[in-house]
Amino acid sequence: QQQVKQSPQSLIVQKGGISIINCAYENTAFDYFPWYQQFPGKGPALLIAIRPDVSEKKEGRFTISFNKSAKQFSLHIMDSQPGDSATYFCAASGGTYKYIFGTGTRLKVLA
Amino acid sequence: DGGITQSPKYLFRKEGQNVTLSCEQNLNHDAMYWYRQDPGQGLRLIYYSQIVNDFQKGDIAEGYSVSREKKESFPLTVTSAQKNPTAFYLCASKGNKRYEQYFGPGTRLTVT
Repeated sequence: QQQVKQSPQSLIVQKGGISIINCAYENTAFDYFPWYQQFPGKGPALLIAIRPDVSEKKEGRFTISFNKSAKQFSLHIMDSQPGDSATYFCAASGGTYKYIFGTGTRLKVLA
Repeated sequence: DGGITQSPKYLFRKEGQNVTLSCEQNLNHDAMYWYRQDPGQGLRLIYYSQIVNDFQKGDIAEGYSVSREKKESFPLTVTSAQKNPTAFYLCASKGNKRYEQYFGPGTRLTVT
């Protein structure tokens, strides 16, 4: 129940395309769902986050879509750029100080 | 500049030696965390601390120890009991009234 399942493990997208990464959770107590971006050798950086009271949140080219009934949320990167090439982690938290992280998606955007 | 610092960036040790990784934050955050990252396995929680002088084991605490004597500092000791200590170690912190968790730049530990 504490797992967050992330897919795909890796993703290759052409420049200008849309990158989509999906996560699924089981614990309905989760109430905060962030996405992190990590470049090689660096710490993860908070990219965007959503609470379950909204179905979508957009910040620039990054959008989180949230489906509470399906217990799924996804990250969409519009107009993907080579500089977006990184590893992306979803996470979930709720009621405690602990965060549960997905296993990560390695995104490569081809120039 | 506010943020989280980890030192050193790279650390090399011989097997059987204890080693302490430093984590300092000047964000006035109450909660601090240590994660271990291995290729293809995401982030695994080692220890976390909600307040000074208190900490809890995470999912993979065996072979590790921590202390939280000051709000700003949360050092992690990798002991000789940790069977596979070579990894990328990440420290993070979170404010008391906010959900966001922020990460430091990480320390890559190599034990040979």
